[in-house]
Amino acid sequence: IAGITQAPTSQILAAGRRMTLRCTQDMRHNAMYWYRQDLGLGLRLIHYSNTAGTTGKGEVPDGYSVSRANTDDFPLTLASAVPSQTSVYFCASSVQGLIGRGSTDTQYFGPGTRLTVL
Amino acid sequence: AQKITQTQPGMFVQEKEAVTLDCTYDTSDPSYGLFWYKQPSSGEMIFLIYQGSYDQQNATEGRYSLNFQKARKSANLVISASQLGDSAMYFCAMREGAAGNKLTFGGGTRVLVKP
Repeated sequence: IAGITQAPTSQILAAGRRMTLRCTQDMRHNAMYWYRQDLGLGLRLIHYSNTAGTTGKGEVPDGYSVSRANTDDFPLTLASAVPSQTSVYFCASSVQGLIGRGSTDTQYFGPGTRLTVL
Repeated sequence: AQKITQTQPGMFVQEKEAVTLDCTYDTSDPSYGLFWYKQPSSGEMIFLIYQGSYDQQNATEGRYSLNFQKARKSANLVISASQLGDSAMYFCAMREGAAGNKLTFGGGTRVLVKP
């Protein structure tokens, strides 16, 4: 069982280029998420998807887009990369069960993609 | 205002001793969950422990336990019998019921275990 895979592992990108970060999970989780982690900081949510066919904006969505055509895949696209998007990007997924008493719905993370925009 | 605050940027702990990592949170939602993740130098995020706002008892998972003080809005992580492999960044995160499944993370605490 792979869990969550992300590709590429790392990438150096010229400013202005388009880039898609890939995320695939094999746990049949309904919900998926993209976070960015900047040096010395915690993670900040970029976009999320509660189920295939739906997406939502997180805390820092500008400059990024996502799609959720199926349960397993949740690609993140930078349409025109800028240096401030240099970061480590984490994809995560959760079952998306009932939220409330006794429900943890823990998010499990992929290994991350280190992106440098020059 | 910060929703999750971790006031200790870094800590040293002697091997085999216990260490407490502080986490305070801010929410008016009666339904929320608190998570702790470990991030070793290799970079992956590893889930450690969860505490729900309605849970009556403090969560425990092996050497990890959560000192949950709801009135004080704190959820401190206790690592007992520290091991060298515990050296890592530790993040506290909160999920609020009204916000769905979105997690808000604190800035993290770096722990270095000394032999």
